[in-house]
Amino acid sequence: GAVVSQHPSWVICKSGTSVKIECRSLDFQATTMFWYRQFPKQSLMLMATSNEGSKATYEQGVEKDKFLINHASLTLSTLTVTSAHPEDSSFYICSARGMEGKTEAFFGQGTRLTVV
Amino acid sequence: GEDVEQSLFLSVREGDSSVINCTYTDSSSTYLYWYKQEPGAGLQLLTYIFSNMDMKQDQRLTVLLNKKDKHLSLRIADTQTGDSAIYFCASGGDNRLAFGKGNQVVVIP
Repeated sequence: GAVVSQHPSWVICKSGTSVKIECRSLDFQATTMFWYRQFPKQSLMLMATSNEGSKATYEQGVEKDKFLINHASLTLSTLTVTSAHPEDSSFYICSARGMEGKTEAFFGQGTRLTVV
Repeated sequence: GEDVEQSLFLSVREGDSSVINCTYTDSSSTYLYWYKQEPGAGLQLLTYIFSNMDMKQDQRLTVLLNKKDKHLSLRIADTQTGDSAIYFCASGGDNRLAFGKGNQVVVIP
């Protein structure tokens, strides 16, 4: 199956700093990428949907100035958590869908963010 | 909006069958999915079923869909220790997926 790679797998940062998470589709071109946040023992919450070359569409309640999403190419999307605070600590997962209109969305392995 | 409900915890003996249930509300969902999440990892797509199907079998996995009741189930035959994980069902159409809260399956050797 298609491979989606997230980097880093885990990151610890100081409160007030910014952290960038990358999501790459390794063997297919992803026209659409999704960013999710998962709290412990909870389901995935869709944060935003990004299409290559256009602005991301954020879900209600997600601060777009805090969670900057860039989808500059068909194989790379980035999520930057700006001015991170401890409450931003979470598991962030991206998924990517290809160009052929296929329904499957392939998920990255996730990034564990801890803000101290 | 979409809403997907799942029960939370299931323990099963190795070799037995396990069944995980899920209900969803969005009747326009085109596809229904089952994902597996192992500790600290992302989601792995296990299987999916088109909304116009009643059943799909894929090796040890059997998916049953009752579209009238908006009920989806996943049966794992001959459950193995490697099946211990959290299982999420999801419903969706073009782009958006709505996930259930997940069901943790613990396989007892």
